[in-house]
Amino acid sequence: KAGVTQTPRYLIKTRGQQVTLSCSPISGHRSVSWYQQTPGQGLQFLFEYFSETQRNKGNFPGRFSGRQFSNSRSEMNVSTLELGDSALYLCASSWGFGTRGYYGYTFGSGTRLTVV
Amino acid sequence: KNEVEQSPQNLTAQEGEFITINCSYSVGISALHWLQQHPGGGIVSLFMLSSGKKKHGRLIATINIQEKHSSLHITASHPRDSAVYICAVLPLMNYGGATNKLIFGTGTLLAVQP
Repeated sequence: KAGVTQTPRYLIKTRGQQVTLSCSPISGHRSVSWYQQTPGQGLQFLFEYFSETQRNKGNFPGRFSGRQFSNSRSEMNVSTLELGDSALYLCASSWGFGTRGYYGYTFGSGTRLTVV
Repeated sequence: KNEVEQSPQNLTAQEGEFITINCSYSVGISALHWLQQHPGGGIVSLFMLSSGKKKHGRLIATINIQEKHSSLHITASHPRDSAVYICAVLPLMNYGGATNKLIFGTGTLLAVQP
């Protein structure tokens, strides 16, 4: 069974450019969450999508946006890149969610973005 | 004060030692994850707990919902266990529902020396 696939694995962009990262969840998983990991701030929540709807958004500027498609694949976009956006971007998928936890919560390997 | 606190922040052990990493949280949760991240690597979910205790190989995770505390134990530690271990909680939404919005601890850097 294929895991959560994130593409690309590594990316170098120039300040001011925009970037799109992709996350393909495990087959059958309808929920996708995105996280940013930096040495200074650690892991922080970006967005959460379920059935093409954004359920939650973290405290990030409007330059960070995302969407989910009907096949549950998700993309996140960062416009007008800044040096501080250099980070490991992780997505995680699950079948759904309930009041007592998650079902099959699985992380992807991440996309390492470097902004120069 | 962080909503999820881990201790210790750094831990050095000799191969074979029994290791305990602690996690305390201040919010109501639906579940708690223990995650592992090797240097330069992605994140692997080791356990998801909502009550009691789980065991997988040499790893044991426990949670006490009333005390808002969880522990991760590694028995017979090995150098390949060297990694950052991260506690993350899934908070209950105000309406009593659930969310995928994990809140993370700052991690425990474990180094197991041969």
